[in-house]
Amino acid sequence: LAKTTQPISMDSYEGQEVNITCSHNNIATNDYITWYQQFPSQGPRFIIQGYKTKVTNEVASLFIPADRKSSTLSLPRVSLSDTAVYYCLVGPFNQAGTALIFGKGTTLSVSS
Amino acid sequence: EAGVTQFPSHSVIEKGQTVTLRCDPISGHDNLYWYRRVMGKEIKFLLHFVKESKQDESGMPNNRFLAERTGGTYSTLKVQPAELEDSGVYFCASSQDEAETSTDTQYFGPGTRLTVL
Repeated sequence: LAKTTQPISMDSYEGQEVNITCSHNNIATNDYITWYQQFPSQGPRFIIQGYKTKVTNEVASLFIPADRKSSTLSLPRVSLSDTAVYYCLVGPFNQAGTALIFGKGTTLSVSS
Repeated sequence: EAGVTQFPSHSVIEKGQTVTLRCDPISGHDNLYWYRRVMGKEIKFLLHFVKESKQDESGMPNNRFLAERTGGTYSTLKVQPAELEDSGVYFCASSQDEAETSTDTQYFGPGTRLTVL
């Protein structure tokens, strides 16, 4: 599975837009990009998944350039409750049974 | 719809004892996964069930760990005998085996925090 690289930490203030970029230079043709969020003492929670271009849901947007070697998770108008660890994962997620490979993630701290 | 549940939420045992963790997946989910995070490390895959069958147990650390999913519903993960390095958080996840054109989303439980003294 493709290795991912993302910043260890980011700081933001309430109401700002936060963009977390993930590099995955060795992404395979059949790989998807998935982002999970994890709060302390909880399991990872699925946020968004995409293959190319842009995907948007009620929580976030995911921007994927044409070469797919990177992706950006965009969180609009963050609040204190968005303080969490965000993981970028890459793999053939159109197939059930794919083991998720978690890195260290990006620890986002939102302040008032 | 109930999410993935795990029991117990915390377990403290002594080295050499046995502990059994339980996971109840989302109803109807054929796929069940176990992961764990040991202190200071990333979350690591342990194994994957499809219904009652083990599909991939490449992440199981050693033969002190035994996972079962009798009847294809809930799963148990037994550690016997427990060692100090087994301390960590054990997560369970489940996913529905959807049509080939759909993507597979894994839903995680809250985890069981295991402390071996």
